[in-house]
Amino acid sequence: DVKVTQSSRYLVKRTGEKVFLECVQDMDHENMFWYRQDPGLGLRLIYFSYDVKMKEKGDIPEGYSVSREKKERFSLILESASTNQTSMYLCASSPLGQGAVDSGNTIYFGEGSWLTVV
Amino acid sequence: AQSVTQLDSQVPVFEEAPVELRCNYSSSVSVYLFWYVQYPNQGLQLLLKYLSGSTLVKGINGFEAEFNKSQTSFHLRKPSVHISDTAEYFCAVSYTGNQFYFGTGTSLTVIP
Repeated sequence: DVKVTQSSRYLVKRTGEKVFLECVQDMDHENMFWYRQDPGLGLRLIYFSYDVKMKEKGDIPEGYSVSREKKERFSLILESASTNQTSMYLCASSPLGQGAVDSGNTIYFGEGSWLTVV
Repeated sequence: AQSVTQLDSQVPVFEEAPVELRCNYSSSVSVYLFWYVQYPNQGLQLLLKYLSGSTLVKGINGFEAEFNKSQTSFHLRKPSVHISDTAEYFCAVSYTGNQFYFGTGTSLTVIP
């Protein structure tokens, strides 16, 4: 079974603190993602990565950065946490897709990290 | 921009009744389609996926979905729901296999 592990399930941080959310996958997947989930808004992509040291902005990158130093690990960083970043954060991974020739690409999710910024 | 629309944000249904959760996507090019389920305080789990072939796809827990290319829809159905099906359901689409676009979710509540 594919396993995506998020190191922290519940965090409470103060405004202005630097926050690290860690994610590790054990299936040698090339792609890794960070989503934010809010009621009524569904999943919004913050950043994704196709390879080590590579990153691409998603739909809502402002206020976030990421790091991918090793293939299995993808970290989300909040440089200065704010109350509007209180949310559920979901990490995911998938193998590299090849468009029409792909036969089974699927995205796999971790359990989620609940972050409260006070 | 690519998009996925889940037409119902909340669906209440009585236990053992049938249910349909609706999903439409924006593009007519080749797509991969998915339904995910999220139980309270958990991540998303794959229910079923459509990649190619038969338009009727069967998934886990008795769910199935039908791909309708002309209507760009991928509705999820179950003939008889259980209390344990109460959860949030997300429809997703991928065009290249590398980026995934999610709907805003449908909250299914099964009433005893």
